[in-house]
Amino acid sequence: DTAVSQTPKYLVTQMGNDKSIKCEQNLGHDTMYWYKQDSKKFLKIMFSYNNKELIINETVPNRFSPKSPDKAHLNLHINSLELGDSAVYFCASSQGDYSPLHFGNGTRLTVT
Amino acid sequence: AQSVTQLDSQVPVFEEAPVELRCNYSSSVSVYLFWYVQYPNQGLQLLLKYLSGSTLVESINGFEAEFNKSQTSFHLRKPSVHISDTAEYFCAVSGAIQGAQKLVFGQGTRLTINP
Repeated sequence: DTAVSQTPKYLVTQMGNDKSIKCEQNLGHDTMYWYKQDSKKFLKIMFSYNNKELIINETVPNRFSPKSPDKAHLNLHINSLELGDSAVYFCASSQGDYSPLHFGNGTRLTVT
Repeated sequence: AQSVTQLDSQVPVFEEAPVELRCNYSSSVSVYLFWYVQYPNQGLQLLLKYLSGSTLVESINGFEAEFNKSQTSFHLRKPSVHISDTAEYFCAVSGAIQGAQKLVFGQGTRLTINP
């Protein structure tokens, strides 16, 4: 069983479109995250939810909107996609302070 | 503010040779340090962590890292590498916020093992 699963794995779309990435974890964790990895492999946190409450909201354009319908799901919706949004987006989950993050395999978003 | 610097973007070594991946951090609060590994086309996996106690921490696959407060370093070492260790390695420092972890990652070091 995959612990943290993301769909889709690849997403190719045109500028201006709206798209969503879904994430589900079956580990029973309270906290979920979205990270962005750019073309130089640099990873940066975008959002974190704890028990469906937004805890971390980094400096991210408001075109990006996370939604957590329940503890096991954290989706990412992106409006008006731009070329600079092309990256790999990773979902992760954890339980408790300083416990390891469990990452999904990523969604490679390409905006043309 | 917290930050992490990985001093080498790429490290090529021969199989069975020793390796050290360097990591320096900056933090104004208590320090919690991690090494994560990313194999091709996969997400990150925890390799090892330092939270408190012994400054030398080990992973199950032979890696170790030493927390050095005076040098603000957390270098990763392995005495003998295998082809399967080829991956991207990320050092990270963590701060906890209301049950969530804010991991700040370094730029990553690509470890390439040559036969």
